[in-house]
Amino acid sequence: DGGITQSPKYLFRKEGQNVTLSCEQNLNHDAMYWYRQDPGQGLRLIYYSQIVNDFQKGDIAEGYSVSREKKESFPLTVTSAQKNPTAFYLCASGSRGRADTQYFGPGTRLTVL
Amino acid sequence: QQQVKQSPQSLIVQKGGISIINCAYENTAFDYFPWYQQFPGKGPALLIAIRPDVSEKKEGRFTISFNKSAKQFSLHIMDSQPGDSATYFCAASKRTGTASKLTFGTGTRLQVTL
Repeated sequence: DGGITQSPKYLFRKEGQNVTLSCEQNLNHDAMYWYRQDPGQGLRLIYYSQIVNDFQKGDIAEGYSVSREKKESFPLTVTSAQKNPTAFYLCASGSRGRADTQYFGPGTRLTVL
Repeated sequence: QQQVKQSPQSLIVQKGGISIINCAYENTAFDYFPWYQQFPGKGPALLIAIRPDVSEKKEGRFTISFNKSAKQFSLHIMDSQPGDSATYFCAASKRTGTASKLTFGTGTRLQVTL
């Protein structure tokens, strides 16, 4: 069963805590992405990675960090420095040969209490 | 700065009717224009996409019309069905190395009534 998995589906966090969202893909895709979605807004790019051990900031990277130690995995850490972390977080991936096409995972809804 | 403007914000169409969603972009460096469909609580799914050297692309009931000079593109859903009720996002893509950066519109919530 090929695809992108994100866990957990729902996540609750207290203010001041860091939290890590998981994203795994078995599509053998080189590129991976993290987006944030807020009500009434489109998706906004947080970070992306073209290859293992390399990643670049997107449009709203402040308060977030990522790592890419394995091709299949691209975890996102929401740090306490992120001022408004409550949102729906989406991970995506894309292949080198069809770099324009991104496939999305099911998302993680993060709520800060 | 919103680089992709999408309208309308919401749309109600009767079953069998035509749904039309419009988008406009500013950056001429964009070279790929996908549309995504998203159901509540799910991730977006790629619906159809077009490159700027083509004026129209059709896949089943879904058609993209593209006007390069006006920097506008639109999604037409023919014979709209209740199962089409979802939020639709247009996007514009710019290649960066072996990845791409997508800029999304703000979405259109489509409701198809019986």
